[in-house]
Amino acid sequence: GQSLEQPSEVTAVEGAIVQINCTYQTSGFYGLSWYQQHDGGAPTFLSYNALDGLEETGRFSSFLSRSDSYGYLLLQELQMKDSASYFCAVRAFGGNTPLVFGKGTRLSVIA
Amino acid sequence: GAVVSQHPSWVICKSGTSVKIECRSLDFQATTMFWYRQFPKQSLMLMATSNEGSKATYEQGVEKDKFLINHASLTLSTLTVTSAHPEDSSFYICSAPTQDYEQYFGPGTRLTVT
Repeated sequence: GQSLEQPSEVTAVEGAIVQINCTYQTSGFYGLSWYQQHDGGAPTFLSYNALDGLEETGRFSSFLSRSDSYGYLLLQELQMKDSASYFCAVRAFGGNTPLVFGKGTRLSVIA
Repeated sequence: GAVVSQHPSWVICKSGTSVKIECRSLDFQATTMFWYRQFPKQSLMLMATSNEGSKATYEQGVEKDKFLINHASLTLSTLTVTSAHPEDSSFYICSAPTQDYEQYFGPGTRLTVT
């Protein structure tokens, strides 16, 4: 089977840095993606790691270690609008195959 | 990036009726689309894989006779919830992968069955 583990909730202060971890156990692995979802909205793509290392996109960075089946999303200079749910998702197989999602981490940014 | 649309964005229907949800890839062709369902405060759960020109593939536990999927063209997939019941009330989201296999999600359809 496929499973992804991430913390259910995280609270951080505006302007701070927060890291959301994700460990996965899947029968195959082609890459780890991160999505942001605000209440009532659809998931929006944040980042994708296929290879080990750090990918940086503005205030967001994502890291992958395939040997550890582990990745994280790093959010810097937190803003109130970053309060949302964050999902890690694995593409377990190649080609047009669906993503397997973690249960999501609810991030609350407080003043 | 690529754009995926869904229609309607929300729908309220009476128990026992059927509801059709459309998913369109607006600026790319998608031979495959995915349908997910999300209950409040839960993750996205894959319901089925929609394949243009062939039958959909359903995940275990998803009734194919209740959730009818038709991939009519390279840009359109439809999900029909037949004989809807209150427990079918959920947020239904489609996604479509582009040629580089990146997935783009539609805005979702919130279904409420009364």
